[in-house]
Amino acid sequence: GDSVTQMEGPVTLSEEAFLTINCTYTATGYPSLFWYVQYPGEGLQLLLKATKADDKGSNKGFEATYRKETTSFHLEKGSVQVSDSAVYFCALSSNSGYALNFGKGTSLLVTP
Amino acid sequence: DVKVTQSSRYLVKRTGEKVFLECVQDMDHENMFWYRQDPGLGLRLIYFSYDVKMKEKGDIPEGYSVSREKKERFSLILESASTNQTSMYLCASSLSGPSWTEAFFGQGTRLTVV
Repeated sequence: GDSVTQMEGPVTLSEEAFLTINCTYTATGYPSLFWYVQYPGEGLQLLLKATKADDKGSNKGFEATYRKETTSFHLEKGSVQVSDSAVYFCALSSNSGYALNFGKGTSLLVTP
Repeated sequence: DVKVTQSSRYLVKRTGEKVFLECVQDMDHENMFWYRQDPGLGLRLIYFSYDVKMKEKGDIPEGYSVSREKKERFSLILESASTNQTSMYLCASSLSGPSWTEAFFGQGTRLTVV
């Protein structure tokens, strides 16, 4: 079945450091890919998405490129801020189902 | 602003109680979902509904049931709460159509069963 694997956390970075959170997927067909973010005490919010190969999603300085050849959708940000501290979830939506399949989440802590 | 609202942020219930978690969305979405979130396990789908009175089991439906009598409301029912159902419960909704449709989430209900 469809699945998402993302890097284990927690990830701790200093402010202004470069961030990469790895995400790879297994799916039949051509899934759409998402990154969701969960700030402390809140529900999930869509951060960015990509619907086909080579698409780049971007939002709030975060970027991820849909790489079909490596089945990956890694999240990057050039300079993180303390306010980026949250849990990040990679997810996919396949053509065969209604619901999103989520990775286990990666906790990010950014220190001043 | 689009909204998915869960009726409670925090609940404490006793083992064996019947528990209702309520979710309402104001976006006229066809699809609604209940997920459970646990540390180290991420989000796991319990049930979803793609239309009024329609429901489908997700990955972990055991011990749960759902009800969708109106399009905007999707209820999760714990028939007889147990301590292993202590968790964060997240409701979401989305439009029907292409699989890339974004899902919108509520703020979550943290349920503790004692």
